[in-house]
Amino acid sequence: GAGVSQSPSNKVTEKGKDVELRCDPISGHTALYWYRQSLGQGLEFLIYFQGNSAPDKSGLPSDRFSAERTGGSVSTLTIQRTQQEDSAVYLCASSLGGPSGGYTFGSGTRLTVV
Amino acid sequence: AQSVTQLDSQVPVFEEAPVELRCNYSSSVSVYLFWYVQYPNQGLQLLLKYLSGSTLVKGINGFEAEFNKSQTSFHLRKPSVHISDTAEYFCAVQGSNYKLTFGKGTLLTVNP
Repeated sequence: GAGVSQSPSNKVTEKGKDVELRCDPISGHTALYWYRQSLGQGLEFLIYFQGNSAPDKSGLPSDRFSAERTGGSVSTLTIQRTQQEDSAVYLCASSLGGPSGGYTFGSGTRLTVV
Repeated sequence: AQSVTQLDSQVPVFEEAPVELRCNYSSSVSVYLFWYVQYPNQGLQLLLKYLSGSTLVKGINGFEAEFNKSQTSFHLRKPSVHISDTAEYFCAVQGSNYKLTFGKGTLLTVNP
């Protein structure tokens, strides 16, 4: 596609429920990243996928968070048993896998846990 | 590991005034440096990047930045800002593992 597509754009969920956030990267981009943006916290790295390599999960804040990337394309970030502190904007980005092109970001999913 | 410090969380300026948004980084390895802009309710857009070569980098919308290795800085400048430049600006550093580490952002507000 022309850009990185994320869905839904907004999600309100009850505390304790599971949520799935979807990211559709730019076609041909081998690298995919998830970041979390909270007020006053800037952008926090969550997870990084590069081709067929094992993902870098070092940024996932707890074992309630997981992500997968199917067929080297679409990625899903799952948050189980959501908590209020999970409320944030979740941003996905993709790139060609090297630094020269930089990342292309999606518009994000705003998650609100009530 | 690398880190990024954006020295000002908010910068208010008047339209047509010059602006400088400051960014310092720390890293034990060579890095690539980026500035991104985020307009309200939108994702991040790449403004400019430094990979190698000339230390003065020009980007979109009239912005430029200068890489200073001795001072580990990558300050963003624009000689004359417009109302439409009101946004949040993020400095970022990327090391050999290709993971981008962001600063906490600087909110630029351009007033008429």
